[in-house]
Amino acid sequence: DQQVKQNSPSLSVQEGRISILNCDYTNSMFDYFLWYKKYPAEGPTFLISISSIKDKNEDGRFTVFLNKSAKHLSLHIVPSQPGDSAVYFCVGGSTLGRLYFGRGTQLTVWP
Amino acid sequence: KAGVTQTPRYLIKTRGQQVTLSCSPISGHRSVSWYQQTPGQGLQFLFEYFSETQRNKGNFPGRFSGRQFSNSRSEMNVSTLELGDSALYLCASSLEAGWEQFFGPGTRLTVL
Repeated sequence: DQQVKQNSPSLSVQEGRISILNCDYTNSMFDYFLWYKKYPAEGPTFLISISSIKDKNEDGRFTVFLNKSAKHLSLHIVPSQPGDSAVYFCVGGSTLGRLYFGRGTQLTVWP
Repeated sequence: KAGVTQTPRYLIKTRGQQVTLSCSPISGHRSVSWYQQTPGQGLQFLFEYFSETQRNKGNFPGRFSGRQFSNSRSEMNVSTLELGDSALYLCASSLEAGWEQFFGPGTRLTVL
């Protein structure tokens, strides 16, 4: 039961441009959403979060947008850098519950 | 503060064998979660332990089991290994269940 869906397995963007990673979810009980980034041979690392009562959270080059009515969120990276090339996981969670990971999107930023 | 550590980092087993993986969480973290990562499947949730009790469980067969000790260290056991169990097994710890989890580097299990 895939409660968090990332329908694009890969995304390729030129350096300096905007990267937009999309995510859809089915569980309306999620209290918050997270984005994790994963490099090969490493565990995922937390990138940015957003509470379900917000519609936007910004941290430097990273901004996450939440559209609750559409059950959709997106991660914007501006400007994209080659070091951003990694797998990005969209995650939904609820207080004291488990986390639900999407299958990930491989972002490649080329010079 | 030391991060999440997992041992061993790499493991090769044959079908039918069993394996035990170990995870040491960040000091002070009481919640430990285990995930299986395979190509194309993302992170599949195995189970979550909090204060030595399994609090959440994913949809894996009973061959997958785990436990947590009083010092919050956790072990995961897979019995009667199958070829499809080959994967990266990730452990994550957090202060409480859910919210931001800190991941270890994973144990790469290969079943031949």
